[in-house]
Amino acid sequence: DAKTTQPTSMDCAEGRAANLPCNHSTISGNEYVYWYRQIHSQGPQYIIHGLKNNETNEMASLIITEDRKSSTLILPHATLRDTAVYYCIVRVAIDYKLSFGAGTTVTVRA
Amino acid sequence: DVKVTQSSRYLVKRTGEKVFLECVQDMDHENMFWYRQDPGLGLRLIYFSYDVKMKEKGDIPEGYSVSREKKERFSLILESASTNQTSMYLCASSFLRRGDVGEQFFGPGTRLTVL
Repeated sequence: DAKTTQPTSMDCAEGRAANLPCNHSTISGNEYVYWYRQIHSQGPQYIIHGLKNNETNEMASLIITEDRKSSTLILPHATLRDTAVYYCIVRVAIDYKLSFGAGTTVTVRA
Repeated sequence: DVKVTQSSRYLVKRTGEKVFLECVQDMDHENMFWYRQDPGLGLRLIYFSYDVKMKEKGDIPEGYSVSREKKERFSLILESASTNQTSMYLCASSFLRRGDVGEQFFGPGTRLTVL
């Protein structure tokens, strides 16, 4: 699986958009970008995934650059409940295994 | 909503004890997984199962076994618990789909302490 690089931490004001970057410069053609998050003392939660087109669901938007070497997860209106560690993962679609790195600790402040 | 439940949130056991961690999902998922999560090491796959009575080793199966007698239930067994098995254990499930595994749904986790 391609490696990913994320900032260690970031702060966001409540009600504002949170933009979480992820670099995956060694991504291969059949690898998807997945985002999960983990709120303290809970299990991880799936957010969104995509291959090359931008994706949006009720939780977030995923913007993938044209060369697919980086992506941005956008939480459009951050709330205090969005405070969590966010993990960017790159893997082939049929790979059953998830591996999390250190992720980005996002703190949403009132 | 998909629900994955785990038998205990917190568990304290002694070295050498046999430990059972149970996981139940209510969405008729084919795939079920056991992970452990440790600070600095991230999430690591112990075992997974894609069907009843089927199992595959993950990255760190040593010291663990699993059982899947019913589709909705996946058990992790520590035959003789050791202190290095103190960890957060996470169960997950997903559909078995060709082409795109998609999302895994996780339970709340069991924090196991082995004394």
